[in-house]
Amino acid sequence: GESVGLHLPTLSVQEGDNSIINCAYSNSASDYFIWYKQESGKGPQFIIDIRSNMDKRQGQRVTVLLNKTVKHLSLQIAATQPGDSAVYFCAEKNQAGTALIFGKGTTLSVSS
Amino acid sequence: NAGVTQTPKFRVLKTGQSMTLLCAQDMNHEYMYWYRQDPGMGLRLIHYSVGEGTTAKGEVPDGYNVSRLKKQNFLLGLESAAPSQTSVYFCASSRNPNRDRDEQYFGPGTRLTVT
Repeated sequence: GESVGLHLPTLSVQEGDNSIINCAYSNSASDYFIWYKQESGKGPQFIIDIRSNMDKRQGQRVTVLLNKTVKHLSLQIAATQPGDSAVYFCAEKNQAGTALIFGKGTTLSVSS
Repeated sequence: NAGVTQTPKFRVLKTGQSMTLLCAQDMNHEYMYWYRQDPGMGLRLIHYSVGEGTTAKGEVPDGYNVSRLKKQNFLLGLESAAPSQTSVYFCASSRNPNRDRDEQYFGPGTRLTVT
């Protein structure tokens, strides 16, 4: 079946540290993955995406790594800032390719 | 551009009442979606639409109906509200999920409480 999940529901880091948020998926045929950030009281916002023909993709202060062998992806945030505090969701494309399936989310707390 | 907007922002219903949530997008997106989000959970897809006049069921469609009479609007209806439908509802839209990038743009959410 299709499902995505995150390893840890919460992650606490100090300002300036690097953060790593992990996600496991079950559908080996998934070819598209996406990370969203949701701040309190707001809708999710796109962070970065990656296709299955890539292992790594970098954005501004964020990097997504995809390991298809173990069906795992991670989001790395460099020099984490208080403004990065939010819930982070990974999502994968469903089998029909028409919608996204979201994981439960990891709450990132950044202390200064 | 306003992006994706949702009406209302908050609503309290009694069990058995009905209501309609309105979602509007001004980005000329083909695809639109309705999700619900419960505490400690990710977003679960209720219904979605691949274009004007079309709708399809998602992961948790029971108790909801939708309509997409105009490309820019996607309505979510609750015919007979139940306490289990207490949740935060998010609408989203995207150009076409079969493109290289399938970024979904989300609205601010509607917080619904059913007593």
